[in-house]
Amino acid sequence: DIQMTQSPSSVSASVGDRVTITCRASHDIKTWLAWYQQKPGKAPKLLIYGASSLQSGVPSRFSGRGSGTDFTLTISSLQTEDFATYYCQQANSFFTFGPGTKVDF
Amino acid sequence: EVQLVQSGAEVKKPGESLRISCKASGYSFASYWITWVRQVPGKGLEWIGRIDPSDSYTNYNPSLQGHVTMSVDKSITTAYLQWNSLEASDTAMYFCARGPNWLDPWGQGTLVSVSS
Repeated sequence: DIQMTQSPSSVSASVGDRVTITCRASHDIKTWLAWYQQKPGKAPKLLIYGASSLQSGVPSRFSGRGSGTDFTLTISSLQTEDFATYYCQQANSFFTFGPGTKVDF
Repeated sequence: EVQLVQSGAEVKKPGESLRISCKASGYSFASYWITWVRQVPGKGLEWIGRIDPSDSYTNYNPSLQGHVTMSVDKSITTAYLQWNSLEASDTAMYFCARGPNWLDPWGQGTLVSVSS
């Protein structure tokens, strides 16, 4: 099984801040990684796929990098609507989600 | 518009059976896998499994295989997740989503509550 970890588990930030979330896989997953945003009471929303490809309609302030076992999601200038929980997900061997990172005030 | 619409919330007792649904529209249903994900309230996301609507081929999370069953009805572009005997630990929000690897879009979720 491939295990996913995320750090930090939570981050306090302000509008305009640059925020970076890290995701690590227990095995090499190449670029089989996606990032999702979830707001309370809502379904997750796909932000990034293939480690670095921006999903259509997602603002360009979101970016993803990495390959192998280490990946990052960066929000270049945090906006009010970005306060949410972010999950990484590997798709190299079935699916595993990371435990999530909550971005709040 | 590509859309997945799930059935409504359910309240069940342990041991009861249940089937929840996920109605797809706006795309060729047989061309994209449907994946099921669950989320215990206040917790993270857990993959349940995925089904290829073209031939009903399935992959299950080993920790859940045998406890849940996925199926589809291509004639009405609907996917299903069912239990023969619910347990209290099945209490969660259940989401369907399109895609074998990257999940987009997602259904709105079905809350399943199991309590005696």
